Amino acid sequence: GAVVSQHPSWVICKSGTSVKIECRSLDFQATTMFWYRQFPKQSLMLMATSNEGSKATYEQGVEKDKFLINHASLTLSTLTVTSAHPEDSSFYICSASNKSRGTETQYFGPGTRLLVL
Amino acid sequence: AQKITQTQPGMFVQEKEAVTLDCTYDTSDPSYGLFWYKQPSSGEMIFLIYQGSYDQQNATEGRYSLNFQKARKSANLVISASQLGDSAMYFCAMRERTYNQGGKLIFGQGTELSVKP
Repeated sequence: GAVVSQHPSWVICKSGTSVKIECRSLDFQATTMFWYRQFPKQSLMLMATSNEGSKATYEQGVEKDKFLINHASLTLSTLTVTSAHPEDSSFYICSASNKSRGTETQYFGPGTRLLVL
Repeated sequence: AQKITQTQPGMFVQEKEAVTLDCTYDTSDPSYGLFWYKQPSSGEMIFLIYQGSYDQQNATEGRYSLNFQKARKSANLVISASQLGDSAMYFCAMRERTYNQGGKLIFGQGTELSVKP
């Protein structure tokens, strides 16, 4: 149980285009999902917390207009990188919270590698 | 201030031997949770083990155990009988029960474990 999918797994796009990444919880409902960014050989950096039916909470330094987050249902959150530029190239990974054995645990998707040319 | 510290950027272990990955944390919240995740080269984050601050016993999950020393604020991961497939990055993470943070995780810098045949 507690499977999270992410789509696409790889995306290459031209500078200036927008890219949408989907995060789905497959076998549980998640009121809260999280979006992270990770550079090579570095730790995960939380970008925003996505709550179903409300606006996302962004971490300090993350541009809200650049990284649009929509959590329209209990199983789906999307991250749209608007007007992508080469510096946005990174590994984006989402997670969804699920309560298991009385503990709230974050389960992660497989991640999306974005390359902006 | 760094809240989660992993002081070992890289570790080597011989196959079938046990290895300990260090993690220290800092928090003033009496209620918190500690997590360990494994990230293979493919990128997905795999949940390994959880320890709650009020748990009396050290957590165990198969070959993984968490050496929780609350007074020293350490939560070391012990992997017994290492296997080649254990080679990966390992991240320690903490969740504080702060209302506004929505249960977000704070990650350490990670430790890259290499298992030698």
